[in-house]
Amino acid sequence: SQQGEEDPQALSIQEGENATMNCSYKTSINNLQWYRQNSGRGLVHLILIRSNEREKHSGRLRVTLDTSKKSSSLLITASRAADTASYFCATDRGGSYIPTFGRGTSLIVHP
Amino acid sequence: EPEVTQTPSHQVTQMGQEVILRCVPISNHLYFYWYRQILGQKVEFLVSFYNNEISEKSEIFDDQFSVERPDGSNFTLKIRSTKLEDSAMYFCASGRQGATEAFFGQGTRLTVV
Repeated sequence: SQQGEEDPQALSIQEGENATMNCSYKTSINNLQWYRQNSGRGLVHLILIRSNEREKHSGRLRVTLDTSKKSSSLLITASRAADTASYFCATDRGGSYIPTFGRGTSLIVHP
Repeated sequence: EPEVTQTPSHQVTQMGQEVILRCVPISNHLYFYWYRQILGQKVEFLVSFYNNEISEKSEIFDDQFSVERPDGSNFTLKIRSTKLEDSAMYFCASGRQGATEAFFGQGTRLTVV
Protein backbone atom coordinates (compact mmCIF):
# COMPACT_ATOMS: atom_id res chain seq x y z
CA SER A 1 0.00 0.00 0.00
CA GLN A 2 1.11 3.55 -0.69
CA GLN A 3 2.96 5.08 2.23
CA GLY A 4 2.77 8.80 1.46
CA GLU A 5 -0.08 10.55 -0.28
CA GLU A 6 -0.07 14.22 -1.23
CA ASP A 7 -3.05 16.48 -1.20
CA PRO A 8 -4.26 18.28 -3.24
CA GLN A 9 -3.39 16.53 -6.48
CA ALA A 10 -3.30 19.87 -8.26
CA LEU A 11 -2.97 23.45 -7.07
CA SER A 12 -3.19 26.61 -9.14
CA ILE A 13 -2.30 29.98 -7.60
CA GLN A 14 -1.15 33.46 -8.53
CA GLU A 15 2.41 34.64 -8.13
CA GLY A 16 2.95 36.07 -4.68
CA GLU A 17 0.45 33.80 -2.99
CA ASN A 18 1.41 31.05 -0.60
CA ALA A 19 1.10 27.41 -1.61
CA THR A 20 0.40 24.66 0.91
CA MET A 21 0.69 20.99 0.11
CA ASN A 22 -0.04 18.15 2.49
CA CYS A 23 1.24 14.64 2.84
CA SER A 24 -0.29 11.83 4.84
CA TYR A 25 1.29 8.50 5.57
CA LYS A 26 0.29 5.25 7.20
CA THR A 27 3.10 3.73 9.26
CA SER A 28 5.78 5.08 11.57
CA ILE A 29 8.70 6.84 9.93
CA ASN A 30 12.30 7.81 10.61
CA ASN A 31 12.10 10.87 8.41
CA LEU A 32 10.08 12.54 5.68
CA GLN A 33 11.52 14.26 2.65
CA TRP A 34 10.04 16.69 0.16
CA TYR A 35 11.17 16.74 -3.46
CA ARG A 36 10.39 18.87 -6.46
CA GLN A 37 10.23 17.70 -10.08
CA ASN A 38 10.04 19.97 -13.06
CA SER A 39 8.28 18.43 -16.03
CA GLY A 40 10.34 15.61 -17.51
CA ARG A 41 13.28 16.28 -15.24
CA GLY A 42 14.89 14.72 -12.21
CA LEU A 43 13.88 14.96 -8.58
CA VAL A 44 15.41 17.80 -6.62
CA HIS A 45 15.71 17.31 -2.88
CA LEU A 46 14.14 20.21 -0.97
CA ILE A 47 14.13 19.35 2.69
CA LEU A 48 14.26 16.45 5.15
CA ILE A 49 12.48 16.49 8.49
CA ARG A 50 13.14 13.83 11.10
CA SER A 51 10.47 12.15 13.15
CA ASN A 52 11.55 14.02 16.29
CA GLU A 53 11.29 17.40 14.58
CA ARG A 54 8.09 19.41 14.26
CA GLU A 55 9.04 22.22 11.92
CA LYS A 56 11.85 23.10 9.56
CA HIS A 57 12.60 26.08 7.34
CA SER A 58 14.68 26.51 4.24
CA GLY A 59 14.43 29.84 2.46
CA ARG A 60 10.81 30.25 1.36
CA LEU A 61 9.98 26.69 2.36
CA ARG A 62 8.43 25.68 5.64
CA VAL A 63 7.79 22.04 6.47
CA THR A 64 5.83 20.78 9.42
CA LEU A 65 5.47 17.25 10.71
CA ASP A 66 2.76 15.92 13.00
CA THR A 67 3.58 12.33 13.83
CA SER A 68 0.41 11.92 15.89
CA LYS A 69 -1.65 12.66 12.78
CA LYS A 70 0.87 11.03 10.45
CA SER A 71 0.93 14.10 8.26
CA SER A 72 3.28 16.75 6.95
CA SER A 73 2.80 20.00 5.12
CA LEU A 74 5.00 21.96 2.76
CA LEU A 75 4.40 25.70 2.59
CA ILE A 76 5.95 27.78 -0.15
CA THR A 77 5.68 31.46 0.69
CA ALA A 78 5.54 34.29 -1.84
CA SER A 79 5.37 31.86 -4.75
CA ARG A 80 7.00 32.58 -8.09
CA ALA A 81 6.21 31.31 -11.57
CA ALA A 82 9.47 29.34 -11.36
CA ASP A 83 7.99 27.31 -8.49
CA THR A 84 5.70 25.62 -11.01
CA ALA A 85 6.50 21.92 -10.66
CA SER A 86 5.31 18.71 -9.07
CA TYR A 87 6.05 18.27 -5.38
CA PHE A 88 6.43 14.88 -3.76
CA CYS A 89 6.77 13.70 -0.23
CA ALA A 90 8.85 10.61 0.41
CA THR A 91 8.76 8.63 3.60
CA ASP A 92 10.69 5.66 4.81
CA ARG A 93 8.81 2.95 6.64
CA GLY A 94 10.29 2.79 10.10
CA GLY A 95 12.28 -0.38 9.68
CA SER A 96 13.39 0.51 6.17
CA TYR A 97 15.31 3.58 5.05
CA ILE A 98 14.02 3.42 1.50
CA PRO A 99 12.29 6.67 0.46
CA THR A 100 8.82 5.81 -0.84
CA PHE A 101 7.05 8.43 -2.91
CA GLY A 102 3.48 9.59 -3.11
CA ARG A 103 1.71 10.63 -6.29
CA GLY A 104 2.65 14.27 -5.90
CA THR A 105 0.97 17.64 -6.04
CA SER A 106 1.13 19.51 -9.32
CA LEU A 107 1.61 23.19 -8.57
CA ILE A 108 1.02 25.87 -11.17
CA VAL A 109 1.96 29.44 -10.29
CA HIS A 110 0.52 31.99 -12.71
CA PRO A 111 2.62 35.10 -13.34
CA GLU B 1 28.21 20.90 -5.81
CA PRO B 2 28.46 17.12 -6.23
CA GLU B 3 25.64 15.51 -8.14
CA VAL B 4 24.44 12.15 -9.35
CA THR B 5 24.97 11.76 -13.09
CA GLN B 6 23.17 9.34 -15.36
CA THR B 7 23.87 8.24 -18.90
CA PRO B 8 22.44 8.13 -21.44
CA SER B 9 19.74 10.76 -21.03
CA HIS B 10 17.56 8.95 -23.54
CA GLN B 11 17.74 5.39 -24.85
CA VAL B 12 15.56 3.77 -27.47
CA THR B 13 15.71 0.01 -27.72
CA GLN B 14 13.93 -2.82 -29.48
CA MET B 15 11.70 -5.09 -27.43
CA GLY B 16 13.66 -8.10 -26.23
CA GLN B 17 17.01 -6.31 -26.25
CA GLU B 18 19.20 -5.84 -23.21
CA VAL B 19 19.86 -2.35 -21.91
CA ILE B 20 22.29 -1.05 -19.34
CA LEU B 21 21.59 2.23 -17.63
CA ARG B 22 24.55 3.89 -16.01
CA CYS B 23 24.89 6.07 -12.96
CA VAL B 24 27.74 7.76 -11.15
CA PRO B 25 26.61 8.39 -7.57
CA ILE B 26 28.04 11.11 -5.37
CA SER B 27 31.50 9.95 -4.39
CA ASN B 28 31.27 9.63 -0.60
CA HIS B 29 27.79 8.08 -0.60
CA LEU B 30 27.25 4.52 0.53
CA TYR B 31 23.61 3.84 -0.36
CA PHE B 32 22.44 3.59 -3.94
CA TYR B 33 18.97 3.32 -5.37
CA TRP B 34 17.12 2.85 -8.64
CA TYR B 35 13.61 4.13 -9.17
CA ARG B 36 11.40 4.36 -12.20
CA GLN B 37 8.58 6.66 -13.23
CA ILE B 38 6.20 5.64 -15.97
CA LEU B 39 4.91 8.71 -17.77
CA GLY B 40 2.33 10.51 -15.68
CA GLN B 41 2.60 8.09 -12.80
CA LYS B 42 4.31 8.02 -9.44
CA VAL B 43 7.96 7.38 -8.74
CA GLU B 44 8.37 3.70 -7.91
CA PHE B 45 11.18 2.13 -5.93
CA LEU B 46 13.05 -0.67 -7.69
CA VAL B 47 16.12 -1.58 -5.64
CA SER B 48 18.59 -0.39 -3.06
CA PHE B 49 22.25 -1.35 -2.87
CA TYR B 50 24.61 -1.13 0.06
CA ASN B 51 27.94 -2.73 0.89
CA ASN B 52 28.14 -4.31 -2.57
CA GLU B 53 24.86 -6.13 -2.36
CA ILE B 54 21.14 -5.59 -2.79
CA SER B 55 19.64 -4.50 0.52
CA GLU B 56 16.01 -4.24 -0.59
CA LYS B 57 14.04 -4.69 -3.77
CA SER B 58 10.46 -4.21 -4.81
CA GLU B 59 8.16 -6.65 -6.58
CA ILE B 60 8.89 -4.77 -9.81
CA PHE B 61 12.54 -5.81 -9.61
CA ASP B 62 12.16 -9.32 -11.02
CA ASP B 63 14.68 -11.64 -12.65
CA GLN B 64 14.85 -9.40 -15.71
CA PHE B 65 16.58 -6.72 -13.66
CA SER B 66 20.03 -6.70 -12.13
CA VAL B 67 22.32 -4.11 -10.60
CA GLU B 68 26.07 -3.89 -10.39
CA ARG B 69 28.72 -1.66 -8.97
CA PRO B 70 31.53 -2.77 -11.28
CA ASP B 71 34.09 -0.32 -9.94
CA GLY B 72 34.35 2.32 -7.25
CA SER B 73 32.28 4.87 -9.09
CA ASN B 74 29.67 3.38 -11.41
CA PHE B 75 26.33 1.85 -10.50
CA THR B 76 24.41 0.16 -13.29
CA LEU B 77 20.91 -1.18 -13.87
CA LYS B 78 20.54 -3.91 -16.47
CA ILE B 79 17.29 -5.01 -18.01
CA ARG B 80 17.90 -8.32 -19.75
CA SER B 81 15.01 -8.55 -22.19
CA THR B 82 13.09 -5.33 -22.40
CA LYS B 83 9.33 -5.22 -22.69
CA LEU B 84 7.14 -2.39 -23.93
CA GLU B 85 5.99 -1.75 -20.36
CA ASP B 86 9.57 -1.09 -19.28
CA SER B 87 9.33 2.27 -21.04
CA ALA B 88 9.79 4.84 -18.30
CA MET B 89 12.17 7.34 -16.75
CA TYR B 90 14.73 5.55 -14.62
CA PHE B 91 16.27 7.49 -11.78
CA CYS B 92 19.40 6.67 -9.87
CA ALA B 93 19.86 8.10 -6.38
CA SER B 94 22.47 7.96 -3.67
CA GLY B 95 22.70 8.81 0.02
CA ARG B 96 25.48 9.13 2.57
CA GLN B 97 23.85 6.64 4.89
CA GLY B 98 20.45 5.27 5.75
CA ALA B 99 17.75 7.70 6.87
CA THR B 100 19.39 10.67 5.19
CA GLU B 101 18.66 12.65 2.07
CA ALA B 102 18.63 10.75 -1.20
CA PHE B 103 19.98 12.75 -4.12
CA PHE B 104 18.67 11.94 -7.56
CA GLY B 105 20.14 12.09 -11.02
CA GLN B 106 18.36 13.65 -13.99
CA GLY B 107 17.14 10.28 -15.17
CA THR B 108 17.36 8.13 -18.28
CA ARG B 109 14.30 8.04 -20.45
CA LEU B 110 13.98 4.49 -21.76
CA THR B 111 11.73 3.93 -24.73
CA VAL B 112 11.07 0.33 -25.77
CA VAL B 113 9.68 -0.05 -29.29
